[in-house]
Amino acid sequence: GAGVSQSPSNKVTEKGKDVELRCDPISGHTALYWYRQSLGQGLEFLIYFQGNSAPDKSGLPSDRFSAERTGGSVSTLTIQRTQQEDSAVYLCASRLGHRGPAYEQYFGPGTRLTVT
Amino acid sequence: TQLLEQSPQFLSIQEGENLTVYCNSSSVFSSLQWYRQEPGEGPVLLVTVVTGGEVKKLKRLTFQFGDARKDSSLHITAAQPGDTGLYLCAGVGWGGKLIFGQGTELSVKP
Repeated sequence: GAGVSQSPSNKVTEKGKDVELRCDPISGHTALYWYRQSLGQGLEFLIYFQGNSAPDKSGLPSDRFSAERTGGSVSTLTIQRTQQEDSAVYLCASRLGHRGPAYEQYFGPGTRLTVT
Repeated sequence: TQLLEQSPQFLSIQEGENLTVYCNSSSVFSSLQWYRQEPGEGPVLLVTVVTGGEVKKLKRLTFQFGDARKDSSLHITAAQPGDTGLYLCAGVGWGGKLIFGQGTELSVKP
């Protein structure tokens, strides 16, 4: 079946503009995660959605970052007033369940964001 | 804050050599995972270790979880060029969110 897909694959934007990154998780996966991968910081957790529960936003670096998940499926990560330090690869992952270590997270290929 | 220290960050070896990557934390994790990532792709899960002292083998890869569940290692025997990639350890936190180490960039030269 289809894996996690993300769009766009690459995004170049000017400093100060807003961007939206999209994630389509694997059908039936109830948990969805966003991570950011940058040279200096490695791979960092941003936000986590599980079913209809309130999302865990503890990893969002500033209030310029927000995310929503509509209908328990597609998710959009929005970055407002982008800064150069926002340049990174943004990865989305989905998971069948949220309990138990055996539930594997499946990652999408990521969106490479470059802020000029 | 839970942190994972991974070492070495870079490793360049010849085909046929053995190597070990270490992942250490001051915190206890309920489980720990190892991922491999290739350029332009997301990380792919290699293994999950859950029990302190656990050893898992995946062909030429051996994974160990420390008795106190604070550290882990990945050992590759007789490395091959196809093993080249970024190896990541990740502690599994609440809700399944992953706390990643900095990663080890492995290059295996023929």
